[in-house]
Amino acid sequence: AAGVIQSPRHLIKEKRETATLKCYPIPRHDTVYWYQQGPGQDPQFLISFYEKMQSDKGSIPDRFSAQQFSDYHSELNMSSLELGDSALYFCASSFPLAGSGNEQFFGPGTRLTVL
Amino acid sequence: DAKTTQPNSMESNEEEPVHLPCNHSTISGTDYIHWYRQLPSQGPEYVIHGLTSNVNNRMASLAIAEDRKSSTLILHRATLRDAAVYYCILRDVGGWGKLQFGAGTQVVVTP
Repeated sequence: AAGVIQSPRHLIKEKRETATLKCYPIPRHDTVYWYQQGPGQDPQFLISFYEKMQSDKGSIPDRFSAQQFSDYHSELNMSSLELGDSALYFCASSFPLAGSGNEQFFGPGTRLTVL
Repeated sequence: DAKTTQPNSMESNEEEPVHLPCNHSTISGTDYIHWYRQLPSQGPEYVIHGLTSNVNNRMASLAIAEDRKSSTLILHRATLRDAAVYYCILRDVGGWGKLQFGAGTQVVVTP
């Protein structure tokens, strides 16, 4: 069965650089969520999209932006990177948005290292 | 948002049952109880969810207290592959579906 695809799997950047993380949801899933997991920490919700519109926002820094495209894939853009942005970034997808019983399917994550 | 409380860690022998408790005394009537787990170096994985009645699936069982202020995830026969951090999460039926991870329970399975 198709799973959530994230690219790249690993990314190394310098401070103050920019990074773009991509997420390809499971086919027919219309909702995408982004989570950040720092070293030794639990995942924290960043932002979500439903039908290409932002549906919810968590503790996402202003330096980060994200969008969902017409093919439902999503990109997380991170600018002015800081050392503290080093983390695992997970994307999850679900279908449909309505009903909090719907499970989220997580991708393998992108490990971002900021030097 | 309602908060959950779980023990930091639990240890079990392989092929024995594991009972993972979760307290959620401030749960509202519209909160579903979800369980996810995260294996080492992997993304979280859905385990089970319920609202009021006990639930069973191929992975686990969920026992929900009558007053819904607590629940227990039951792994019937622990395997080494079940070693993971288990998260008990409340999701409001009217919300946008985000998962708010708290401090989960690290399950250690010994052969």
